[in-house]
This record gives sequence, structure tokens and C-alpha cells, in this order.
Amino acid sequence: DVKVTQSSRYLVKRTGEKVFLECVQDMDHENMFWYRQDPGLGLRLIYFSYDVKMKEKGDIPEGYSVSREKKERFSLILESASTNQTSMYLCASSFRGGNTEAFFGQGTRLTVV
Amino acid sequence: QQPVQSPQAVILREGEDAVINCSSSKALYSVHWYRQKHGEAPVFLMILLKGGEQKGHDKISASFNEKKQQSSLYLTASQLSYSGTYFCGTPPMNYGGSQGNLIFGKGTKLSVKP
Repeated sequence: DVKVTQSSRYLVKRTGEKVFLECVQDMDHENMFWYRQDPGLGLRLIYFSYDVKMKEKGDIPEGYSVSREKKERFSLILESASTNQTSMYLCASSFRGGNTEAFFGQGTRLTVV
Repeated sequence: QQPVQSPQAVILREGEDAVINCSSSKALYSVHWYRQKHGEAPVFLMILLKGGEQKGHDKISASFNEKKQQSSLYLTASQLSYSGTYFCGTPPMNYGGSQGNLIFGKGTKLSVKP
């Protein structure tokens, strides 16, 4: 069974903390994505990576950075968490190319207090 | 530019049909449909490519009209298991090339009642 695994389902952090969200996929996918999901706004792309050490900004990269040191792992970093980053974060992966199915993780609900 | 989905929400009785639309102000080269059940990860339904192709997935089918810059998802004889939020996604490039990243619409919440 194909899997995209996010390290935490729920996370509570304090304002100003550095936060790491981890995502691992076991499908040998080249592409990996981080989306943010907020009610009424749908899924918005933060960053994506199409290869190890490669990254591209999505639609809302401000306040976030990413790291991809290994093909199977893609990390989202909140350098200094703020309350407006309270959200559901979804990781996804897919094979290279634009017309392939993406597989999503279960999501991490992050609350910044 | 984010595609626009309509309606925002729809409530059905089991066995009824529904149509969810996804439209864009820019040329579309492909449209991707996903369903997310409450508390679960989004799951892929289908991809429609330029050419007006209609695809099916069980009793869920979709069409793609690139001239109208629109795709429609058809749910026939809906079942309780169809409940969830449906998202369409389109590549951001205006020339068809894409590395796999998508811009998703805001979603359509479908509720199927017994």
C-alpha cells in the first residue's frame, strides 16, 4: 500500500518557535509538495520539490522554508511560528511530470498559540 | 490563478445526481479532480487532458471543454460514500508544461443524505 506519512497529526507550538513538519513517502516519487488547507480557501501550495535539493516556491511561501536532502523526505520549516500559521498542513508526492496522480498524507493540524 | 468551483456546497438524497463545475479564466491544458472525505487525506479521482476527453470512475465521470475553459464532474445515482469535498486542480503554466504542481479551487462540499 502506497504511503505518504507525516510525522505528527496534531502539533501545538508557541509563537516564535521554529517548527519542523516532516513528510516521508515510500513510492520513489520525484515530486513532493507541501500544501496548506484552510476553511473556504481550499488547498494552497507552499513549496514543492521535483528532485533532491531542488525546491520551488508555490503560491504562499512567505514565512516558510523547505528541505529535501533525501528523495523520500521533504521537510517544511516555519522559521518563527506565528498565529496566522495555524492551519492544516498536507504533504503530497507524485512521479515526475504534470499529469500524474498525487498521493496525500493524512495532514498535520498545527496550532500556534 | 485559482480555478473557480461551483456550487460551493450541495446536499443530495441517495440516488440523486449532481454536477460540480470548475472554470478558469486562463487556458486549461489539464484538470485534476480529488475528493477529500471528512478527516481524511484528499484522494485522486481522475485527470482530464486537453482534447475534450470524458473519463469515468465508477459512477463518477467528468468532461473537459478547453474552449470554455471548464471541466464538470458528474456524480450519478449518488451514494452515501460520495460525501466529501471535491477539489479541482489545474497546472499554473499557461503553455501546458508543468512539473506536477497544481492550483486547486476552493472546493465543493457534497453531502449525501439517506
